[in-house]
Amino acid sequence: DVKVTQSSRYLVKRTGEKVFLECVQDMDHENMFWYRQDPGLGLRLIYFSYDVKMKEKGDIPEGYSVSREKKERFSLILESASTNQTSMYLCASIPTGSTDTQYFGPGTRLTVL
Amino acid sequence: DQQVKQNSPSLSVQEGRISILNCDYTNSMFDYFLWYKKYPAEGPTFLISISSIKDKNEDGRFTVFLNKSAKHLSLHIVPSQPGDSAVYFCAASASGAGSYQLTFGKGTKLSVIP
Repeated sequence: DVKVTQSSRYLVKRTGEKVFLECVQDMDHENMFWYRQDPGLGLRLIYFSYDVKMKEKGDIPEGYSVSREKKERFSLILESASTNQTSMYLCASIPTGSTDTQYFGPGTRLTVL
Repeated sequence: DQQVKQNSPSLSVQEGRISILNCDYTNSMFDYFLWYKKYPAEGPTFLISISSIKDKNEDGRFTVFLNKSAKHLSLHIVPSQPGDSAVYFCAASASGAGSYQLTFGKGTKLSVIP
């Protein structure tokens, strides 16, 4: 079974703090994704990565950056957290060449006060 | 511009009856469609998918129908069970274009009433 883990299930931070959300997958997948999910808005893609040290902007990259130093790990960084970044953050992965589904982690519920 | 639309934010169905969740898309490049199920405080889990070369795919109680000409797909759950109560997301990708990106709809919250 593919396993995608996220470093925290729940996180509370203050406005202006730098926030790191970590995602690790154990199946050697090349492609990794960060989404945020908000009620009534569905899942929106923030950033994705096709390979180590490679990153591409998704639909809503503003206020976020990412890091992919190792294949199994994809980090989402909020440089200066704001209250409108309070959300559920979901990480997913999929191998290249697959017609399979994206596998999701359990999510991190981030609250910015 | 929303490329994947789920126009019903919520749906209530009696246990044992059929649940039909609908999804429309606008991008003609989409050739692979998926349904994910999501419980609160958990990540989405894959439910069923369909390639654009098919018009129907069945897996147990779940069937997905694709109407390419109408750019419409639907998920049928028969019979519906209380454990099916969750938010269902429709997603699409242009896999033929070499993309692994998924575009998601806004979701439909299904409530199955015992």
